[in-house]
Amino acid sequence: DGGITQSPKYLFRKEGQNVTLSCEQNLNHDAMYWYRQDPGQGLRLIYYSQIVNDFQKGDIAEGYSVSREKKESFPLTVTSAQKNPTAFYLCASSMGVAGAQPQHFGDGTRLSIL
Amino acid sequence: DQQVKQNSPSLSVQEGRISILNCDYTNSMFDYFLWYKKYPAEGPTFLISISSIKDKNEDGRFTVFLNKSAKHLSLHIVPSQPGDSAVYFCAASASGYGGSQGNLIFGKGTKLSVKP
Repeated sequence: DGGITQSPKYLFRKEGQNVTLSCEQNLNHDAMYWYRQDPGQGLRLIYYSQIVNDFQKGDIAEGYSVSREKKESFPLTVTSAQKNPTAFYLCASSMGVAGAQPQHFGDGTRLSIL
Repeated sequence: DQQVKQNSPSLSVQEGRISILNCDYTNSMFDYFLWYKKYPAEGPTFLISISSIKDKNEDGRFTVFLNKSAKHLSLHIVPSQPGDSAVYFCAASASGYGGSQGNLIFGKGTKLSVKP
């Protein structure tokens, strides 16, 4: 069954620690995205990638890093430079450029600070 | 500055009645609009979309209306069911908008509660 898998579902980070959130898709989609959702807020774009080995900053990229070495995978690293990392992180993918191609989402990873 | 606004944080409707969720936008370059439904602790699920060349799109109980002159769109759910209770996000994109063409801009969401 095709879809987007995010892991882990819950993640805890210590101060000064980098953590990596996994996102895998088997939909054969070219484009992948990372969003952050805070309580009472909409989704804000962190990074996106339209093809393998290429990615672009979104609206709130500071303190985050990504890689896109494979079409199926788009991991997000929350670095120690991100001072307020507690949030719900959502990964998405789309066939091509979003808009005419709706994005499909994973079930998210909730990151908390210890 | 919010480009996509959902001014009602919550909406409560009786089962069987119509639910109307509203969304306003400011960027006239937006040419594609989507509605997503989200349950707690899950990712959003695509519901319905509309291109700016249309003013209405219907899919079963869900209809989206677009008023370009007013920069306003709405989602109608008829009849509303308790299973429709969720947060609904409006999103918009502008094809060919700089280097981030097609990226979605989301509103803050409206929490719909359908009471039995």
